[in-house]
Amino acid sequence: QKEVEQNSGPLSVPEGAIASLNCTYSDRGSQSFFWYRQYSGKSPELIMFIYSNGDKEDGRFTAQLNKASQYVSLLIRDSQPSDSATYLCAVGAGSYQLTFGKGTKLSVIP
Amino acid sequence: SQTIHQWPATLVQPVGSPLSLECTVEGTSNPNLYWYRQAAGRGLQLLFYSVGIGQISSEVPQNLSASRPQDRQFILSSKKLLLSDSGFYLCAGDSGDSTDTQYFGPGTRLTVL
Repeated sequence: QKEVEQNSGPLSVPEGAIASLNCTYSDRGSQSFFWYRQYSGKSPELIMFIYSNGDKEDGRFTAQLNKASQYVSLLIRDSQPSDSATYLCAVGAGSYQLTFGKGTKLSVIP
Repeated sequence: SQTIHQWPATLVQPVGSPLSLECTVEGTSNPNLYWYRQAAGRGLQLLFYSVGIGQISSEVPQNLSASRPQDRQFILSSKKLLLSDSGFYLCAGDSGDSTDTQYFGPGTRLTVL
């Protein structure tokens, strides 16, 4: 059974700091990796995707993928209170389905 | 870009009543469509997915069903709701290619009393 593991948190960081969110997955055949942000009571919003080993940067967000270690992470630089949300890691294997982690709750303290 | 519409936004239904939730997609032809449920404090559970009109795959046994009468329409139904059907129901779609990128609709919060 495919599994995606995330620390549930809450992860608390001060405003302006770097928030580091981590995710591990069990399926070595995984090909695509996603980070979604979900505000309380709202639906998940796609913020980053990565397919190749290494780093991918988009504004304040950097996704990091290490397929050998089956590990994907999301770094948020200059964290803002508006970044406070639950972050979902999702992994795909090209078979129409994504496997989601249960999410890490991030709290950015002003 | 793809836009997913869902309605209603919230719904309160008595146990034993029927259910119909609708999802429509704009901006993409031949999308793969998905129904998820998110219970309080739990992760996303995939309920159904569809790769085309009339094609439905079920991921978990339950008293829910799904139908796809049109390319961009996906419906979640139940004949008799249970208390355990309460949750946040999310429709998602992807572009039908191999990138697996899914986008979510705004969701329907269902409370069964």
